[in-house]
Amino acid sequence: NAGVTQTPKFQVLKTGQSMTLQCAQDMNHEYMSWYRQDPGMGLRLIHYSVGAGITDQGEVPNGYNVSRSTTEDFPLRLLSAAPSQTSVYFCASSYPLAGALTDTQYFGPGTRLTVL
Amino acid sequence: SQQGEEDPQALSIQEGENATMNCSYKTSINNLQWYRQNSGRGLVHLILIRSNEREKHSGRLRVTLDTSKKSSSLLITASRAADTASYFCASLQGGSEKLVFGKGMKLTVNP
Repeated sequence: NAGVTQTPKFQVLKTGQSMTLQCAQDMNHEYMSWYRQDPGMGLRLIHYSVGAGITDQGEVPNGYNVSRSTTEDFPLRLLSAAPSQTSVYFCASSYPLAGALTDTQYFGPGTRLTVL
Repeated sequence: SQQGEEDPQALSIQEGENATMNCSYKTSINNLQWYRQNSGRGLVHLILIRSNEREKHSGRLRVTLDTSKKSSSLLITASRAADTASYFCASLQGGSEKLVFGKGMKLTVNP
């Protein structure tokens, strides 16, 4: 298994540009989520999904869109990039255990995004 | 808002010593998890403790949970230089599917 994969690893955007961060998992996990990590802020939840066709907002959803058309993929779209979105983005997935959808999270390696 | 807050924010110890990290949270939880992050890498799950558990062990790790005080602690015994990393607690809020992370704690183990 490849686990959770993210592409690209690094990206530089100009203000106003759009892009999609890709996330895929091959573990048949139902739960997937996106976090951003900023210095001194820890990880903040952007959006999450409990299954294909179902998404919901996390703590900091503004400026980001997601969709979940398949179990495997959970792309994160930046519609109009802003310097405040400069961050490291992590995708994670988990499989429901003991009835709890958000048990052990498996994280991808991250995408480092810089918006100029 | 951040659900979990780790304390201390940074800790430096010598190899072989024990390291204790504390986490406080604000609302009722279903479970609390601890993760490790090596510099420039993704997070790796260490251990999970459910709200009806008080203590759990995994190798050199021991985690406790006190729901009355809304706090948890992670003990790493006989630390090694390879334990140098940032450690995060994350709590699954009761009745929610959101896993909320703390700001993290940086542990340095000196050889």
